[in-house]
Amino acid sequence: GAVVSQHPSRVICKSGTSVKIECRSLDFQATTMFWYRQFPKQSLMLMATSNEGSKATYEQGVEKDKFLINHASLTLSTLTVTSAHPEDSSFYICSAGTGAFDEQYFGPGTRLTVT
Amino acid sequence: SQKIEQNSEALNIQEGKTATLTCNYTNYSPAYLQWYRQDPGRGPVFLLLIRENEKEKRKERLKVTFDTTLKQSLFHITASQPADSATYLCAPGRGYALNFGKGTSLLVTP
Repeated sequence: GAVVSQHPSRVICKSGTSVKIECRSLDFQATTMFWYRQFPKQSLMLMATSNEGSKATYEQGVEKDKFLINHASLTLSTLTVTSAHPEDSSFYICSAGTGAFDEQYFGPGTRLTVT
Repeated sequence: SQKIEQNSEALNIQEGKTATLTCNYTNYSPAYLQWYRQDPGRGPVFLLLIRENEKEKRKERLKVTFDTTLKQSLFHITASQPADSATYLCAPGRGYALNFGKGTSLLVTP
């Protein structure tokens, strides 16, 4: 149980285009979903927290107009990287949780490369 | 600002020995602390959670301690196996949000 999927697993796009990443909780309803970014040999950096049906809460320094998050249902959240640039190339990982103090279930990650 | 520090160097140990990983944090009072395992190119996998009022937690070959006075957690893997080789992340938290350390890379050799 507690499986989270992400799609796509890997994407290459040209600079200036937008990319959408999907995160789904497959066998449970996630109260909250989280989006992280991880650069090589670095820690996971929380980008934003989203609850179903409400606006995402972004961490300081994360541009909400650039990283659009939609949490349409208790099982689906999407992250859209708009007008992507090479510096946005990174490993994007989502996670889902069922409540505070609970473990988070992570997706397998999406490797984004912007050329 | 909050700071989370894990063993900066990779940890190499021999199969069968106990691996001990350290997580220190500053400017933070977490209500709980979680440990995750991450393999290359994959998302983290939850291992253990320990709350601020707990001193120690065990799960099979894993043991976690949490000292809120020292602001430190220790993560032990006993009878280590090559399959335990991975990066281990500590994540203190309050409420929903977790803050991750950079992780410690563990290599268990036969």
